[in-house]
Amino acid sequence: GAVVSQHPSRVICKSGTSVKIECRSLDFQATTMFWYRQFPKQSLMLMATSNEGSKATYEQGVEKDKFLINHASLTLSTLTVTSAHPEDSSFYICSARASGDLLGQFFGPGTRLTVL
Amino acid sequence: RKEVEQDPGPFNVPEGATVAFNCTYSNSASQSFFWYRQDCRKEPKLLMSVYSSGNEDGRFTAQLNRASQYISLLIRDSKLSDSATYLCVVRSDYKLSFGAGTTVTVRA
Repeated sequence: GAVVSQHPSRVICKSGTSVKIECRSLDFQATTMFWYRQFPKQSLMLMATSNEGSKATYEQGVEKDKFLINHASLTLSTLTVTSAHPEDSSFYICSARASGDLLGQFFGPGTRLTVL
Repeated sequence: RKEVEQDPGPFNVPEGATVAFNCTYSNSASQSFFWYRQDCRKEPKLLMSVYSSGNEDGRFTAQLNRASQYISLLIRDSKLSDSATYLCVVRSDYKLSFGAGTTVTVRA
């Protein structure tokens, strides 16, 4: 149980395009989903926390207009990187927390974004 | 100051050796502590939680020192499959803060 999927696993795009990443909880309902970003040899950095049906809470320094998060259902959250630039190239990982579980987080396999 | 700091390594050890490393955290109000393992280009996976009294899980032993705000991980009888980056993770107010990881390479 507690499986989280992400799609796509890898994406290469041109500068200026928008990229949408999906995060799904496959066998549980996730009230809360988290989006992280990891640059090479650096730690995972929390970008935002999204709760189903409400606006995401962004961490300091993360542009909410650039990184659009939608958590429209209890099993799906999406992160859209708008007008991506090479500096947005990174490993994006989501995690999901089950309804009623305040502590556990289950991680998706990550999406590697390369912006040319 | 980073919330969680780790020695990046790498620690290169032969099979069968013991390797140990620490991390420090800045928030004294942190509630829970974990070690995660991350393989290259993969997501982090929970290795073990760290309890105040210290705990073991097979060849892995974790210690927590709240007074000094550091956490340690010791791996005994290293296997080739232990080669990975080990992430120190601290939970404060339902948020997880990650260290940048300590890379361990076990050689035959």
